[in-house]
Amino acid sequence: GNSVTQMEGPVTLSEEAFLTINCTYTATGYPSLFWYVQYPGEGLQLLLKATKADDKGSNKGFEATYRKETTSFHLEKGSVQVSDSAVYFCALHLSNFGNEKLTFGTGTRLTIIP
Amino acid sequence: DARVTQTPRDKVTEMGQEVTMRCQPILGHNTVFWYRQTMMQGLELLAYFRNRAPLDDSGMPKDRFSAEMPDATLATLKIQPSEPRDSAVYFCASGLSGDTQYFGPGTRLTVL
Repeated sequence: GNSVTQMEGPVTLSEEAFLTINCTYTATGYPSLFWYVQYPGEGLQLLLKATKADDKGSNKGFEATYRKETTSFHLEKGSVQVSDSAVYFCALHLSNFGNEKLTFGTGTRLTIIP
Repeated sequence: DARVTQTPRDKVTEMGQEVTMRCQPILGHNTVFWYRQTMMQGLELLAYFRNRAPLDDSGMPKDRFSAEMPDATLATLKIQPSEPRDSAVYFCASGLSGDTQYFGPGTRLTVL
């Protein structure tokens, strides 16, 4: 079946540090890949996505590249801010037989300290 | 800026009571999802609809949970009777087929 494996948290970094959150996937086909972010007390919101191999999604200084050869979609940011503290979810969507489900990873809690 | 809305935002109830959570999807979206989030289990998909028809409710305890879409602007999730283990944050999300899901702010349910 389809699955997403995320880097275990929690992750704590100092402001302006470089961030990487690893995500790998298993899928029977060619999925679309997503990163969602959940700020405290809120619902998940889309951070970025990529729909095919070698696509790079980017938003708010975050980037992730769809790597088919390594089945990965690692999230990166060059210089994190305190406001980036949140839980980050990697997810995939495989549109076959009308399936609409997203398969989520377990989430990685990120805390940025000033 | 179109958003998914959910009511109530917080609900505290006693075991055995009926709970109804409501969701208004973004206008024009044809898929609606119900999720439950807990510390122990993480994010779980309970059920989802496309064009108001239920496509999958395998994640839902059938004996006490029910999900419906009376019309295109309203989705409901009912728990009857509620139990303490149902305490969680319930999220509704909507989208267009095969595309991004947009989440509501959630309903925090506490069953005493």
